Amino acid sequence: ETGVTQTPRHLVMGMTNKKSLKCEQHLGHNAMYWYKQSAKKPLELMFVYNFKEQTENNSVPSRFSPECPNSSHLFLHLHTLQPEDSALYLCASSQGQTIYSGNTIYFGEGSWLTVV
Amino acid sequence: EDKVVQSPLSLVVHEGDTVTLNCSYEVTNFRSLLWYKQEKKAPTFLFMLTSSGIEKKSGRLSSILDKKELFSILNITATQTGDSAVYLCAVEAGTGNQFYFGTGTSLTVIP
Repeated sequence: ETGVTQTPRHLVMGMTNKKSLKCEQHLGHNAMYWYKQSAKKPLELMFVYNFKEQTENNSVPSRFSPECPNSSHLFLHLHTLQPEDSALYLCASSQGQTIYSGNTIYFGEGSWLTVV
Repeated sequence: EDKVVQSPLSLVVHEGDTVTLNCSYEVTNFRSLLWYKQEKKAPTFLFMLTSSGIEKKSGRLSSILDKKELFSILNITATQTGDSAVYLCAVEAGTGNQFYFGTGTSLTVIP
């Protein structure tokens, strides 16, 4: 139990479907993240929210749409995905911007997404 | 461009061997370096390093940071099959919300 919970753990969706991934953190953190993990590639940062405000959007296609209603919850809405979007999607949280060095990022278990 | 490079990409050793995993980085405004272990689930936190030359140790695992040469190593002594995993290195940089990850080192420990 890492304090970051993701649902669903596995998702299979067609290219015309609309689905959402959900993330909840119980650590009192202020920053939440979506990462994409594909085989043989580094973790790719998709979105960062700090105090509910989006601070990073790394050129992610619009078929991925994040939503952060509060500091504890983060969603990733999926629409008209492509097969190459199949990957492990990891949610994470951290304390957020701080004047102190040393900020640990904690991950959820991940959502395995397969687009068919 | 900020980047984190890990080596080797993969490693196969026998139980009882000692391994050294490497992580080098080039980032703006370094804040900390973190090591994670990832089996077939979420990466789990191992160490956070902020100061050069101070070894962090947890059981058979230890890590050290060299901020002058911009690298860190993760040592695992007396390896066990349960150490088989991907080991990820991440660097926190910038204002504190930016974490850059390497591709990971895949370690396989065979009996």
